[in-house]
Amino acid sequence: EVQLLESGGGLVQPGGSLRLSCSASGFTFSNYAMSWVRQAPGEGLEWVSGISGAGAGTYYADSVKGRFTISRDNSKNTLYLQMNSLRAEDTAVYYCAKSRSGWYADYDYWGQGTLVTVSS
Amino acid sequence: EIVLTQSPGTLSLSPGERATLSCRASQSVSTSYLAWYQQKPGQAPRPLIYGASSRATGIPDRFSGSGSGTDFSLTISRLEPEDFAVYYCQQYGSSPKTFGQGTKVEIK
Repeated sequence: EVQLLESGGGLVQPGGSLRLSCSASGFTFSNYAMSWVRQAPGEGLEWVSGISGAGAGTYYADSVKGRFTISRDNSKNTLYLQMNSLRAEDTAVYYCAKSRSGWYADYDYWGQGTLVTVSS
Repeated sequence: EIVLTQSPGTLSLSPGERATLSCRASQSVSTSYLAWYQQKPGQAPRPLIYGASSRATGIPDRFSGSGSGTDFSLTISRLEPEDFAVYYCQQYGSSPKTFGQGTKVEIK
């Protein structure tokens, strides 16, 4: 059974940093691209960042480019999102999502999300 | 960036009725790389449709997707009580992989 479990969310002050983790199980992690998708309170879904299976290709939304860094450790079956220079508008539930196949694929599994709150 | 516009914003229907949701793209979606997700309050999105018309694993056949190019739709043939939720379309043929703003299907 595929499982994705996010952790690392919490309350952080504007300008602060946070690292999210997504622990994966039930599939060959290195074979699949992974992404982070966020949802601000009461709002819709926003794609944030993605990474290829081997980790060579990384992609970012303009809203987080230069501030967030996505990475993965295939030996630990874990996806990461390093978030720096956080802003109030980064407040959201952050989901990790598994691509069905390669990079140009939809998401067939989602984690339950971890809440990030940026506030003083 | 491909902008996806979903309509209507809210659909008020009764159980047993047919629901038709629209998703229009600002430019052609490559190879019909269009997906639909269902989301209920406090839950993660649930995959429904990928490749514009293929049902995800375990999705009942009352859900169907169609369309190509810039115009796509999701149809729920007969609404069940558990179908009242928010539905999002997503294109994944070009980066960034954008989502529509969502359509809420509510009980009339």
